[in-house]
Amino acid sequence: DAKTTQPPSMDCAEGRAANLPCNHSTISGNEYVYWYRQIHSQGPQYIIHGLKNNETNEMASLIITEDRKSSTLILPHATLRDTAVYYCIVRVRNSGYALNFGKGTSLLVTP
Amino acid sequence: NAGVTQTPKFQVLKTGQSMTLQCAQDMNHNSMYWYRQDPGMGLRLIYYSASEGTTDKGEVPNGYNVSRLNKREFSLRLESAAPSQTSVYFCASSQGVIGNTIYFGEGSWLTVV
Repeated sequence: DAKTTQPPSMDCAEGRAANLPCNHSTISGNEYVYWYRQIHSQGPQYIIHGLKNNETNEMASLIITEDRKSSTLILPHATLRDTAVYYCIVRVRNSGYALNFGKGTSLLVTP
Repeated sequence: NAGVTQTPKFQVLKTGQSMTLQCAQDMNHNSMYWYRQDPGMGLRLIYYSASEGTTDKGEVPNGYNVSRLNKREFSLRLESAAPSQTSVYFCASSQGVIGNTIYFGEGSWLTVV
């Protein structure tokens, strides 16, 4: 099963781009990379997902390396409201394909 | 459109008591999930239901039972609550289990004393 590795915490200045890395070196060819975030005391919020191509939506961009062993979530202009824990998730096979969350990266956006 | 709704939002139980957390989704999703989140930890999958009529264990199923009552509803039962089950519980749903976005409820805060 593909596991993910994320730094436990990161800081970013307001208005700057926040680049959150994730390693998933054992990812299989048909496994997706998902990003969620959780603002304190709220339910996790979906951000973006991808298989092998880079993706962009109104919230963020997802850059997946060509070998698919790592990815980066980019918040182009971070705001204070983006302070949250960000989870990088790869579909796990032995849980019936349900997503399992790790500890994520705690992003602090500072004024 | 309410999305995923959980009840109750807060509950205090005594050790050994039983209770059921209710969850309903109005997005016509096939798959539903129960997660728990302990302080400073990530989310851990307790049980999931890939489709109506099926349930499977996740990472931490011990001490819990689930029922997929119909396509909309998925309940989580604690038969004999223990202090180790003090946690925040999240219900979630998705169209399918493979490559589909999961949507979460707002959480149920459970304290077992």
